[in-house]
Amino acid sequence: AQKITQTQPGMFVQEKEAVTLDCTYDTSDPSYGLFWYKQPSSGEMIFLIYQGSYDQQNATEGRYSLNFQKARKSANLVISASQLGDSAMYFCAMREAMDSSYKLIFGSGTRLLVRP
Amino acid sequence: NAGVTQTPKFRILKIGQSMTLQCTQDMNHNYMYWYRQDPGMGLKLIYYSVGAGITDKGEVPNGYNVSRSTTEDFPLRLELAAPSQTSVYFCASSYERETYNEQFFGPGTRLTVL
Repeated sequence: AQKITQTQPGMFVQEKEAVTLDCTYDTSDPSYGLFWYKQPSSGEMIFLIYQGSYDQQNATEGRYSLNFQKARKSANLVISASQLGDSAMYFCAMREAMDSSYKLIFGSGTRLLVRP
Repeated sequence: NAGVTQTPKFRILKIGQSMTLQCTQDMNHNYMYWYRQDPGMGLKLIYYSVGAGITDKGEVPNGYNVSRSTTEDFPLRLELAAPSQTSVYFCASSYERETYNEQFFGPGTRLTVL
């Protein structure tokens, strides 16, 4: 079974509008972390935001916020006031405390295109 | 602070050739990782290391080898390159085994096997 599912291969958003990128996850570990990374066309992986499984509040970092719904096992990324530079691939990833490697498990990504 | 550096940036190999992808980090991180990213996909773990002298297989280790003689360096060796190894390779590191520690990624190596 997929541990991280991103169901939107591609999304469009108008500049200055908000957009939500979906992510659902599957784990039996009570302690885990959820991450979002941005990959622009240049190829590097840029860390955006983190949410811990025990965090009571949704994480926010500037224009990025994470809509964490633990019971539904979803961790959607919300980008407010989209900018042209937000056009990129976005990956949701999870890290499980019981996994001795502490690796990141990635979804297949969502390509976001911001229209001027 | 250079972070995680990888060389080379690009490489074309012929089937059956070998090469080593270099990875160095200057953040004194214990944990280091090699991922591969196939076109249009997320990253998959090849090998990882929790400290100098300690390495272990990830999800897709076949056709690769690693070593970790120092904290800073974590080279990935491809023996007998195959077209299926055409991919972008990312090295990453993180400080400690806590779920909140982000992984820092290198810029990637784009490898083509013809």
